[in-house]
Amino acid sequence: KNEVEQSPQNLTAQEGEFITINCSYSVGISALHWLQQHPGGGIVSLFMLSSGKKKHGRLIATINIQEKHSSLHITASHPRDSAVYICAVRSFGNEKLTFGTGTRLTIIP
Amino acid sequence: DAGITQSPRHKVTETGTPVTLRCHQTENHRYMYWYRQDPGHGLRLIHYSYGVKDTDKGEVSDGYSVSRSKTEDFLLTLESATSSQTSVYFCAISEEGGTGANYGYTFGSGTRLTVV
Repeated sequence: KNEVEQSPQNLTAQEGEFITINCSYSVGISALHWLQQHPGGGIVSLFMLSSGKKKHGRLIATINIQEKHSSLHITASHPRDSAVYICAVRSFGNEKLTFGTGTRLTIIP
Repeated sequence: DAGITQSPRHKVTETGTPVTLRCHQTENHRYMYWYRQDPGHGLRLIHYSYGVKDTDKGEVSDGYSVSRSKTEDFLLTLESATSSQTSVYFCAISEEGGTGANYGYTFGSGTRLTVV
């Protein structure tokens, strides 16, 4: 079993829909990262979380440390949000990240 | 200024030839990482560096070596490229690592390497 599991693997939605992507992990962590990768493009860091919730524009990230779970929400989704969203965790005492395999999001106009 | 650049962006090479990928940063960050990205796998760490001449292996280091002679440059070398090393390679930088410290990561744009 991977240390970091994301669901769903693929998600297609209509423009304007509320999107939720989930990330579960099995180790104690010091931080969780959400990343975005557009087709053929580089990787952009969206959030780094160690507790609670963060918001940036239409994106919201939450984390529940006790349940070892994080969610990334997108409100009023837009076709430009189409990308692969990657969850990564940094376990205690470790300067390295462990990555999930990503969720491919497609927003249809 | 992107802060981190990778070169080349694309490369096709023949099996058995040596290949070097370069990662260059202008942020003066201590930590630099090389990852590979393959379908069905999350990003996997090849090697990382925590300072000039200080490097360590990641989870998929076989067949790769690295060097960091200057803070700003981290080189990844495939001594004798194989078809299994066809992948997209990403470099990343982090301001600080270590226990108890959480800093963001910045990724390069990637290098698409094809070994034929």
